[in-house]
Amino acid sequence: AQTVTQSQPEMSVQEAETVTLSCTYDTSESDYYLFWYKQPPSRQMILVIRQEAYKQQNATENRFSVNFQKAAKSFSLKISDSQLGDAAMYFCAGDSNYQLIWGAGTKLIIKP
Amino acid sequence: NAGVTQTPKFQVLKTGQSMTLQCAQDMNHNSMYWYRQDPGMGLRLIYYSASEGTTDKGEVPNGYNVSRLNKREFSLRLESAAPSQTSVYFCAGGGGTNYGYTFGSGTRLTVV
Repeated sequence: AQTVTQSQPEMSVQEAETVTLSCTYDTSESDYYLFWYKQPPSRQMILVIRQEAYKQQNATENRFSVNFQKAAKSFSLKISDSQLGDAAMYFCAGDSNYQLIWGAGTKLIIKP
Repeated sequence: NAGVTQTPKFQVLKTGQSMTLQCAQDMNHNSMYWYRQDPGMGLRLIYYSASEGTTDKGEVPNGYNVSRLNKREFSLRLESAAPSQTSVYFCAGGGGTNYGYTFGSGTRLTVV
């Protein structure tokens, strides 16, 4: 069975600062994808970044980057230069055999 | 360029009523999914369709049925709604590739 754990129910960061959201993904699969999704109050699920487990290089998308430690089963999201528009729920998810398993989410608060 | 479209956006049902949630995608995805999201939780998979003509149960299939009408459309039916089915429902397409998943905007269903 696969499990995704987000241990931070809520995080806050000062605007323009950097914040890291944590996630652990436990699976017996050797090939899988990991994702971070953002869900603003509008309820829309927006893909932030994705990582392929077999790739050594950590994914980066503009201000968003991941630190994927496969052996430690860790998949953290770093948001640099935080902006007010980054305020949302952030979900970590793992994909194996065409099924996404989700964490419970982290609410990110941006302080102006 | 709609992506994944699901209807309706809001619905209130009485216990025992039936309804169908509609989902259509124009992204040529083989796989489509129905999830539910309850407060304080990540998404949970109800049913998925890996390809046209096939459907499979996810984590929480009880009380639901699905139809993959064609490659574009994947509907979710509640035959006899129960208050426990009050939730936000998301349809998604994609998966198993570099492209991740694309989500519809969600349906907020309340069963009274």
